[in-house]
Amino acid sequence: DVKVTQSSRYLVKRTGEKVFLECVQDMDHENMFWYRQDPGLGLRLIYFSYDVKMKEKGDIPEGYSVSREKKERFSLILESTSTNQTSMYLCASRNPGQGASGELFFGEGSRLTVL
Amino acid sequence: DQQVKQNSPSLSVQEGRISILNCDYTNSMFDYFLWYKKYPAEGPTFLISISSIKDKNEDGRFTVFLNKSAKHLSLHIVPSQPGDSAVYFCAAASGTYKYIFGTGTRLKVLA
Repeated sequence: DVKVTQSSRYLVKRTGEKVFLECVQDMDHENMFWYRQDPGLGLRLIYFSYDVKMKEKGDIPEGYSVSREKKERFSLILESTSTNQTSMYLCASRNPGQGASGELFFGEGSRLTVL
Repeated sequence: DQQVKQNSPSLSVQEGRISILNCDYTNSMFDYFLWYKKYPAEGPTFLISISSIKDKNEDGRFTVFLNKSAKHLSLHIVPSQPGDSAVYFCAAASGTYKYIFGTGTRLKVLA
C-alpha cells in the first residue's frame, strides 16, 4: 500500500517560532510537492521538488523554504512563523513518468496553528 | 485571479440519485484535468482525470465530461452513495508540474 507520511498531524506554535514539517514517501517518486489548503482558496503550491536537491518555487513561496536531501524525504521549513501561516499543509508525491496526467499521492496533512 | 473555479461550495443529493459537480476554467492551455476527493482529516485522493483532447472519461460510477468551448468540466456520480460524501476538488494541469486547484465542493449524499 503506497504511502505518503507527514510527521506531525497537529501543531500549535507561537509567532516567531521555527517549524519543520517532514514528509516521507515510500513509492520511489522523484517529484514531491508542498501545498497549503485554506478555506475558499483551495490548494496552493508552495514548493515543488523535481528530484533530490532540486526545487522550484510554487505560487506562494514567501516565508517558506524546503529541503530535499534524500529522494523519499521532502521537508518544509517555516523559519519564523506568523499568524497568516495558520493553515493545513499537504505533502504530495508523483511519478514523473506520467507527466501532467500523473496523479498526486497526498499525505494526511499537517494542521498548523500559529498564535 | 482564479483560473479554476468551483462555484458551488456545497451540494446535497439523495442516495441513488445523480451528483453533478461543476468546474470552470479560464486557461485554454491546460493539458489535463483531474478530480480529487477529500474526507475530513485525510489527504485528497485521486478520483479520475481527462485529457484536454477528450470530452469524456468514465470509471465505474464516475464520469468526467469536458466541454472545451465552454471551458467547463463536470463530474457525474451515478448512483450516489453515502460514502461519496466528501469535498471534491477539480484541478487543471499547467505545464509539467503545476496543478491549479479549485476551491472545492462539499458533497453530502443523504441516505
